[in-house]
Amino acid sequence: ILNVEQSPQSLHVQEGDSTNFTCSFPSSNFYALHWYRWETAKSPEALFVMTLNGDEKKKGRISATLNTKEGYSYLYIKGSQPEDSATYLCAFANSGYALNFGKGTSLLVTP
Amino acid sequence: EAGVVQSPRYKIIEKKQPVAFWCNPISGHNTLYWYRQNLGQGPELLIRYENEEAVDDSQLPKDRFSAERLKGVDSTLKIQPAELGDSAVYLCASSPRTVTTEAFFGQGTRLTVV
Repeated sequence: ILNVEQSPQSLHVQEGDSTNFTCSFPSSNFYALHWYRWETAKSPEALFVMTLNGDEKKKGRISATLNTKEGYSYLYIKGSQPEDSATYLCAFANSGYALNFGKGTSLLVTP
Repeated sequence: EAGVVQSPRYKIIEKKQPVAFWCNPISGHNTLYWYRQNLGQGPELLIRYENEEAVDDSQLPKDRFSAERLKGVDSTLKIQPAELGDSAVYLCASSPRTVTTEAFFGQGTRLTVV
């Protein structure tokens, strides 16, 4: 079992604020890094799958960066909206087969 | 295209009783995962299948948990007998290939053991 750390544990922002979360993972034997969004009463939904050091990916107002040498990834949300409220999970793989999840960051965006 | 389907969504049982969860993955996905999420924790892998073969069950408590994936499609996860500490959300996910592609999750089964 690999140690994947996410911070902060929870976050409460106002609508329109930009925010970011951190995912830290072991820097050795990197294979892939996933970000998922999990809304209450729904299925976790993939945001990004990142495999290369320096990867930057964007989907609408959400973007992510990856640094495999130092073992971290950032997730950014620009201009947060109430519908962004969810738990954001990152998952690290050091082989081709198993994802190791962090505990998640719980985001609440209020109008 | 239908997503990953799990049933039941919720289950409440008394301790020492058996319980089973069912998962129908996305058609064509060879890889199937069962995860357990305890309150305040991230999902933890219980077992991974490649087609019908369980290739990673190192985290599955084999004294009470069992799983099968018949014909490499649907899968069931069973607990017998259930203990209070088994209360959690059980998630099923499938993927067309290895971890370089996203996993698709079901909505999960929330188990409460009383």
